[in-house]
Amino acid sequence: EDQVTQSPEALRLQEGESSSLNCSYTVSGLRGLFWYRQDPGKGPEFLFTLYSAGEEKEKERLKATLTKKESFLHITAPKPEDSATYLCAGYRGGSEKLVFGKGTKLTVNP
Amino acid sequence: NAGVTQTPKFQVLKTGQSMTLQCAQDMNHEYMSWYRQDPGMGLRLIHYSVGAGITDQGEVPNGYNVSRSTTEDFPLRLLSAAPSQTSVYFCASTQLAGGPGTDTQYFGPGTRLTVL
Repeated sequence: EDQVTQSPEALRLQEGESSSLNCSYTVSGLRGLFWYRQDPGKGPEFLFTLYSAGEEKEKERLKATLTKKESFLHITAPKPEDSATYLCAGYRGGSEKLVFGKGTKLTVNP
Repeated sequence: NAGVTQTPKFQVLKTGQSMTLQCAQDMNHEYMSWYRQDPGMGLRLIHYSVGAGITDQGEVPNGYNVSRSTTEDFPLRLLSAAPSQTSVYFCASTQLAGGPGTDTQYFGPGTRLTVL
């Protein structure tokens, strides 16, 4: 069974304190892995799609990386506005079903 | 370009009532899906569609119906509402297999449903 597990469930950082969120997956024949940001009371906002091990994508203070077993979302020098829940989801080739992790709730304190 | 729109934003139902949650996208995506999000459970797939006239069940389909008569619209029907269906519902529009670097997924703002 395809599974996506995110850790930690919650993370508190001080402003400027860099860290990483983990998304480990067991999706046979992974075609792609999505990262999203979700603010309270809103729908998830698409951030990145990663396709192959070694791939990296960046957006402002966020950098997503992919290995054969997991993906990391690195947050460099975070600001309070980066506080949100970050979700990842994987899908296999030939399937339209995305498998979501339960998310990591990030809080950045000023 | 509105992306994905959902109506209503909030809804309160009584047990046994039926209703339809509306979802529309203007990106010409073939793939659309409905999720529910509950605390501690993450996003769970209810139904999805890979094109007009084609739908399939997801992880938690019981109590819900869908149809897809056009590329743009993908309504979700609750047949006889139950308190267990109290949740936040998200519609998503997805481009897959568009080629490397083009796969994307966009969510609507959500419908917050309470069943009494």
